Amino acid sequence: AQKITQTQPGMFVQEKEAVTLDCTYDTSDPSYGLFWYKQPSSGEMIFLIYQGSYDQQNATEGRYSLNFQKARKSANLVISASQLGDSAMYFCAMREAIYGGATNKLIFGTGTLLAVQP
Amino acid sequence: GAVVSQHPSRVICKSGTSVKIECRSLDFQATTMFWYRQFPKQSLMLMATSNEGSKATYEQGVEKDKFLINHASLTLSTLTVTSAHPEDSSFYICSAIRTSGGNQETQYFGPGTRLLVL
Repeated sequence: AQKITQTQPGMFVQEKEAVTLDCTYDTSDPSYGLFWYKQPSSGEMIFLIYQGSYDQQNATEGRYSLNFQKARKSANLVISASQLGDSAMYFCAMREAIYGGATNKLIFGTGTLLAVQP
Repeated sequence: GAVVSQHPSRVICKSGTSVKIECRSLDFQATTMFWYRQFPKQSLMLMATSNEGSKATYEQGVEKDKFLINHASLTLSTLTVTSAHPEDSSFYICSAIRTSGGNQETQYFGPGTRLLVL
């Protein structure tokens, strides 16, 4: 079963506008972490934001915020005031914790290609 | 910030030869590193977990005799693709776990290595 689902293969957004990239996840573990990474054409994976399953507030990092809806199992990334340099592939990922020890493995979604238009 | 390097960034080799890729954590020690493979326009797929001083843990379907992993020190893990064939051509990315105060764990990715087997 798909653990991380990103339903948007590609998105367009106008420069300076906000955009939401969708991510839903599936896990039976009560303790988990959710990540968003940006991968520009150069290939490097750039960490953007992290949300822990027990975090009470939605995570924010500059122009990035995570809309965490635990009951819906969604962790959408919101990018405000889009810039041309935001054009890249965006991956949602999850790390599950297993009772008796944590696993560091990240499970990635299929990604969303974001294109920012001037 | 934490930096993970990979060497080489690009490599072209003949079919049947072996290729070694290095992954280094530059400003922190990492007992755990991961090796991913990414085919064009696809997501990252975890190949194996590299543990310093012990054997790597391979994901299902990954041939351990073909993809040799050695984590000889707290800052270096190597992936050797033995007897490479054209189907091994891919983008290989490593990551390293950095643990900071309060057991906060963050996974930092290397810039990746593009392997082309002719």
